[in-house]
Amino acid sequence: DTGVSQDPRHKITKRGQNVTFRCDPISEHNRLYWYRQTLGQGPEFLTYFQNEAQLEKSRLLSDRFSAERPKGSFSTLEIQRTEQGDSAMYLCASSLLDNEKLFFGSGTQLSVL
Amino acid sequence: KQEVTQIPAALSVPEGENLVLNCSFTDSAIYNLQWFRQDPGKGLTSLLLIQSSQREQTSGRLNASLDKSSGRSTLYIAASQPGDSATYLCAVDFGGYSTLTFGKGTMLLVSP
Repeated sequence: DTGVSQDPRHKITKRGQNVTFRCDPISEHNRLYWYRQTLGQGPEFLTYFQNEAQLEKSRLLSDRFSAERPKGSFSTLEIQRTEQGDSAMYLCASSLLDNEKLFFGSGTQLSVL
Repeated sequence: KQEVTQIPAALSVPEGENLVLNCSFTDSAIYNLQWFRQDPGKGLTSLLLIQSSQREQTSGRLNASLDKSSGRSTLYIAASQPGDSATYLCAVDFGGYSTLTFGKGTMLLVSP
């Protein structure tokens, strides 16, 4: 598979629970991005990794959110104490270099009840 | 605040028509601009990327132009087909590192 893969595709959780999403980028890509998209809106940037280093975080990324990319390959995004406002599509993307096309995964749709 | 705006929000055309989608952005100091396609419930597919030094890019029936001085880009779709039905998103890299700022998209419906 040469694309970006995300797991799970859908996640339903109760308010207050913790959830974790996984992203596997295209294998040779060392840039990895997380975005969040709500209905009727464009995606919003959350955070960015170059290899294992997290280089930038949006102000949208509250302290309940944490992202890791431990070996510079796959990445995880964890949301602690989920709130109904966290319901959204969480999109992962990767690129080989800066200033190049981003390749997106199909996303993880989170519903917080 | 750096913003990206897309008009129209929705567009419905008969098959075969040529059409133009518009994107405007607030800061002319950009690194690049990308146009994406998104099908319902799916991720995004990059269609065209225009570097800040370029004026346009073409891929098949798609042509995207960039005018930094006026803060505008257009996506031209020639001879539209029902399979072109999707939401088209414009995204601007204001700060480098591909931390993109997206518009809300134009939802396109091409009827047979």
